[in-house]
Amino acid sequence: GAVVSQHPSWVICKSGTSVKIECRSLDFQATTMFWYRQFPKQSLMLMATSNEGSKATYEQGVEKDKFLINHASLTLSTLTVTSAHPEDSSFYICSAGGVGNEKLFFGSGTQLSVL
Amino acid sequence: QQQVKQSPQSLIVQKGGISIINCAYENTAFDYFPWYQQFPGKGPALLIAIRPDVSEKKEGRFTISFNKSAKQFSLHIMDSQPGDSATYFCAARGGNEKLTFGTGTRLTIIP
Repeated sequence: GAVVSQHPSWVICKSGTSVKIECRSLDFQATTMFWYRQFPKQSLMLMATSNEGSKATYEQGVEKDKFLINHASLTLSTLTVTSAHPEDSSFYICSAGGVGNEKLFFGSGTQLSVL
Repeated sequence: QQQVKQSPQSLIVQKGGISIINCAYENTAFDYFPWYQQFPGKGPALLIAIRPDVSEKKEGRFTISFNKSAKQFSLHIMDSQPGDSATYFCAARGGNEKLTFGTGTRLTIIP
């Protein structure tokens, strides 16, 4: 099946710093990628939809200036958590799909811990 | 309504038994219903999915039953094994291609 690679797997940073997370579709082109956030023992909450070559669309309540998304190519989307704070600590997961996003494939996730 | 309700929250099944997880939705515009399996510290992995024009789909030990009129669908895991112990999420996709996830079921298979 299709593979979505997410990097890094985990990151620890100091409060106030920025962290970039990469999501790559390895064997297919993804015009759309999705970014989710998951707190412990909770479900996945969609943060934003990343569209190649255009601005991302954010879900209600998600700060676009804090969670910067860039989808510069058909195989790469990045999420940058700017000026991270402890409350931003969470598990971030990206997903991408083929034509029509019929089958969405997920990355392995990034555990962010902000000290 | 975009909500997808999932039950039970947790489930313990004996090895070899049948695990059943249920989901219900309200939005009739949903057109695709996947199930995902997630292990701790990993992203979800697609298990099986169904469209509303089909009442049942089987892939190996995994079966989805779909009741369009009741707006319910369920996952059945036959001959459950300890390796099936994970968290399972149902989901539904609308016309905007966004997935709405259920709240998850933590499945534990005991010997």
